[in-house]
Amino acid sequence: NAGVMQNPRHLVRRRGQEARLRCSPMKGHSHVYWYRQLPEEGLKFMVYLQKENIIDESGMPKERFSAEFPKEGPSILRIQQVVRGDSAAYFCASSPGGGRRTEAFFGQGTRLTVV
Amino acid sequence: QQQVKQSPQSLIVQKGGIPIINCAYENTAFDYFPWYQQFPGKGPALLIAIRPDVSEKKEGRFTISFNKSAKQFSLHIMDSQPGDSATYFCAAGTASKLTFGTGTRLQVTL
Repeated sequence: NAGVMQNPRHLVRRRGQEARLRCSPMKGHSHVYWYRQLPEEGLKFMVYLQKENIIDESGMPKERFSAEFPKEGPSILRIQQVVRGDSAAYFCASSPGGGRRTEAFFGQGTRLTVV
Repeated sequence: QQQVKQSPQSLIVQKGGIPIINCAYENTAFDYFPWYQQFPGKGPALLIAIRPDVSEKKEGRFTISFNKSAKQFSLHIMDSQPGDSATYFCAAGTASKLTFGTGTRLQVTL
């Protein structure tokens, strides 16, 4: 049973470009969460999605950031017009539904560097 | 309040010692309290978790102690080993999301 798969592992973008981060949840998991980690800091919640639905986006910046979890395929975190402050590690986690939905398992992360 | 306060920021113990990491939360709606271990360049790995209806949970060498009235919980690592050297994060959550502490960098020396 493969774990949470994220790609790419490392991504370099120039200021103003778009970054697309992909996350495939663990088999059987229908809930996906995105977190951002700045160097030497804890993880900050960004968004919680189920298939085709955004459940909680209270941690998402109001502009340039969007997320989706389509019926087929991975979840995508999209950052438009990246700025240097977007440089961070972005982690995706997945969990099963029902009462165990908070038992989240994390991927290896995508390390975004904006130059 | 969504904050979770974690201490200490860093910790050095000798092999065989028992490091203790503490966390405090404010939001009484939190009903799930996991601990994660993270190695450099890797994602956080779930170690152990507790719900507020129990005061202690043990899995292998890892124990969570939970004090609901004080809104505090802690991680104890028994018989610590150099391979336990990592950053440990506590978290507290509800159904939709986790709020993480700022992490404790643990070093276990020989």
